[in-house]
Amino acid sequence: EPEVTQTPSHQVTQMGQEVILRCVPISNHLYFYWYRQILGQKVEFLVSFYNNEISEKSEIFDDQFSVERPDGSNFTLKIRSTKLEDSAMYFCASKELSYNEQFFGPGTRLTVL
Amino acid sequence: AQTVTQSQPEMSVQEAETVTLSCTYDTSESDYYLFWYKQPPSRQMILVIRQEAYKQQNATENRFSVNFQKAAKSFSLKISDSQLGDAAMYFCASRFGVPSYDKVIFGPGTSLSVIP
Repeated sequence: EPEVTQTPSHQVTQMGQEVILRCVPISNHLYFYWYRQILGQKVEFLVSFYNNEISEKSEIFDDQFSVERPDGSNFTLKIRSTKLEDSAMYFCASKELSYNEQFFGPGTRLTVL
Repeated sequence: AQTVTQSQPEMSVQEAETVTLSCTYDTSESDYYLFWYKQPPSRQMILVIRQEAYKQQNATENRFSVNFQKAAKSFSLKISDSQLGDAAMYFCASRFGVPSYDKVIFGPGTSLSVIP
């Protein structure tokens, strides 16, 4: 069964460094998402992406964040200058046009020191 | 505002027994979809069951079923014959509205323990 994959599973970085989180959505999916879950808190929407542009973004998704689909398979989330409060689990999700459920990847745990 | 609320931060159930997790939501949309996701200690998000708001029949997936009360904006999850592997965080979630790209809004979660 096709699934969303994310790399790395765990990323440790120093405050102020740039990180890129990578996702490979399911191949025929057209909608892509990033969510964040700070430890012990609920999952929060960051951004949705369709047709090579951002469809919607939350107030969390400020100028430090960017997303890209650099080729036909990868979907990336870049954080330019990480802060301590960026430490969280980051989930990628994708959705096919005709379905209404999003399929989530296993997440990347980001730790900012 | 569109919100999803789970009033039970923690629940426990004896193995083989039945447990019901509560969820309420608020929206002015007429078209929406409701989901229950399971998050085990590995923290992967696994879809358990989904319900389309326009369907009156409650969704069922093996031991998992929902009680969808549209007028009351309630969407509870019933787990029958609970197993040790059911122990996890359960999130109620919804995609409100018509645009296909609409985000999923999650509730705060209910931590379910299964007692052997």
